[in-house]
Amino acid sequence: DVKVTQSSRYLVKRTGEKVFLECVQDMDHENMFWYRQDPGLGLRLIYFSYDVKMKEKGDIPEGYSVSREKKERFSLILESASTNQTSMYLCASSPGWERYNEQFFGPGTRLTVL
Amino acid sequence: GQQLNQSPQSMFIQEGEDVSMNCTSSSIFNTWLWYKQDPGEGPVLLIALYKAGELTSNGRLTAQFGITRKDSFLNISASIPSDVGIYFCAGPGLIFGGTSYGKLTFGQGTILTVHP
Repeated sequence: DVKVTQSSRYLVKRTGEKVFLECVQDMDHENMFWYRQDPGLGLRLIYFSYDVKMKEKGDIPEGYSVSREKKERFSLILESASTNQTSMYLCASSPGWERYNEQFFGPGTRLTVL
Repeated sequence: GQQLNQSPQSMFIQEGEDVSMNCTSSSIFNTWLWYKQDPGEGPVLLIALYKAGELTSNGRLTAQFGITRKDSFLNISASIPSDVGIYFCAGPGLIFGGTSYGKLTFGQGTILTVHP
């Protein structure tokens, strides 16, 4: 079974803090993704990575950065957290071969920025 | 950009009833996926479809890849309380550099409530 884990289920931070969200997958997947999910707005892609040290902007990259130093780990960074970044953050991974569209999600991190 | 229209937005049904929901795209897809999300959890992949006309089952769930390749359907038979959640359809995003790298476009979701 593919397992995607996220470092925290719940996180509370203050405005202006630097926030790191970590994601680890154990299935040797090439592709990794970060989404945020908000009521009424659905799942929105922030960044994705198709290889170590490679990253591509998704639909809403502003205010975020990412890091992929190892294949199994993809980090989302909020350089200076703001209240409008309060959201559910979901990490996902998919293989780089024929079933590359099959994304497997982690349990999510609910981030509150005060 | 690509859009997925998923309907209905919500459903309230009695336990034991069958459920149908669908998803339409503004462009042709070569893959359709269906996910379920329980409250407070990440989405879980239910079914993946790869061929137009394909019908695939996963227990009480059956999904179909529409012949036009612009739509897909999910049916749940004999619903039970644990079917409660949000169901999402998804398909591959725009291609760049020769591959989509698995980038997906998601529907807005169908919220399913099952009354015992």
